[in-house]
Amino acid sequence: GDSVTQMEGPVTLSEEAFLTINCTYTATGYPSLFWYVQYPGEGLQLLLKATKADDKGSNKGFEATYRKETTSFHLEKGSVQVSDSAVYFCALSDQGGSEKLVFGKGMKLTVNP
Amino acid sequence: GAGVSQTPSNKVTEKGKYVELRCDPISGHTALYWYRQSLGQGPEFLIYFQGTGAADDSGLPNDRFFAVRPEGSVSTLKIQRTERGDSAVYLCASSARRGGEQYFGPGTRLTVT
Repeated sequence: GDSVTQMEGPVTLSEEAFLTINCTYTATGYPSLFWYVQYPGEGLQLLLKATKADDKGSNKGFEATYRKETTSFHLEKGSVQVSDSAVYFCALSDQGGSEKLVFGKGMKLTVNP
Repeated sequence: GAGVSQTPSNKVTEKGKYVELRCDPISGHTALYWYRQSLGQGPEFLIYFQGTGAADDSGLPNDRFFAVRPEGSVSTLKIQRTERGDSAVYLCASSARRGGEQYFGPGTRLTVT
């Protein structure tokens, strides 16, 4: 079945550092790809998405490009802030009918001032 | 407007007991999903409703788990004869349509002692 493998943490960075979180997927068909974020004490929120190959999703300074040839959707941010401390989940939408989400295990990021 | 709400926020029960978890989706959202998130893992799909019907229940782990959505709005996830392995955060998400953005509730943390 479909699956998502993402870099596991936890990861601690200093403010203004560069961030990359790797994500690769296995899927039949052409899934949509997502990054979700869970801030401390809050629910899961959609951070960005891409629906087809070579699409770039972006939001709040984060970017990820749908790479079909490498089956990847790596998340990047040029300069992280303390407020970016959260757990980040890569996910794909199953194309089998329900479009349920298949998530990676998540990566906890802590940004120190 | 109001987001997805889930009640209770926390539930502690004894092994073997029956529990019900409630989800109130965003008004007008026809698609509703239940996921389960174990500690240190990403959410895992349980069941998907389109309107009143369970269109995909392939993620329910066994017949102790059951969910309903009788009027196409509120949904209840029911777990019989709870086991310690059922301890997890149960998440509900709703979407305006199949394949649309899923909006997650804050979750119900279930602890089986």
